[in-house]
Amino acid sequence: DAGVTQSPTHLIKTRGQQVTLRCSPKSGHDTVSWYQQALGQGPQFIFQYYEEEERQRGNFPDRFSGHQFPNYSSELNVNALLLGDSALYLCASSRGTVERGYTFGSGTRLTVV
Amino acid sequence: GQQVMQIPQYQHVQEGEDFTTYCNSSTTLSNIQWYKQRPGGHPVFLIQLVKSGEVKKQKRLTFQFGEAKKNSSLHITATQTTDVGTYFCAGPLTGGGNKLTFGTGTQLKVEL
Repeated sequence: DAGVTQSPTHLIKTRGQQVTLRCSPKSGHDTVSWYQQALGQGPQFIFQYYEEEERQRGNFPDRFSGHQFPNYSSELNVNALLLGDSALYLCASSRGTVERGYTFGSGTRLTVV
Repeated sequence: GQQVMQIPQYQHVQEGEDFTTYCNSSTTLSNIQWYKQRPGGHPVFLIQLVKSGEVKKQKRLTFQFGEAKKNSSLHITATQTTDVGTYFCAGPLTGGGNKLTFGTGTQLKVEL
């Protein structure tokens, strides 16, 4: 049990569609970061949420947006899906700063056809 | 693109052999973290190093943080099949804010 829960585990979408991925952080964690991991590559930072605000953003287009709720859970939304958006989307939670290490969820495998 | 590079990209070893992966950052790191990702799994936090020149051990795993805090290494003594996976270093880059930047990873395969 990773402590971080992501849903759904797998998803198949068509180009141009929109998708919402969900994440519940580990108990006691208040910071949620989202990563995209293409096959055979390292995780790429999308953005991080803390106190319901986007604290930092990586080099991803505005099609990628997110939200954090008062209970610290988070959503990742991707609009106008492209084939290149196919990847494993990982949610990582932490308590406070990044200094303490991340706990990752099992991820959502998104396939865009 | 990635600013944290790891070598080698792949490593095949026989069970019982040693293994080392090296991590190099383009900027200094306030700390370096190591994660292991099993095939089909998600990254799992292994350890964090903070001090310049720091060395930490976890059973057969030895982690080092370079004096300049720009490089790190992970050494596994006498590999076992349970060590199979991809090892990532990660750290908050200077000027990169609070985000954790991951390295390119080293995929380890262990054969009997």
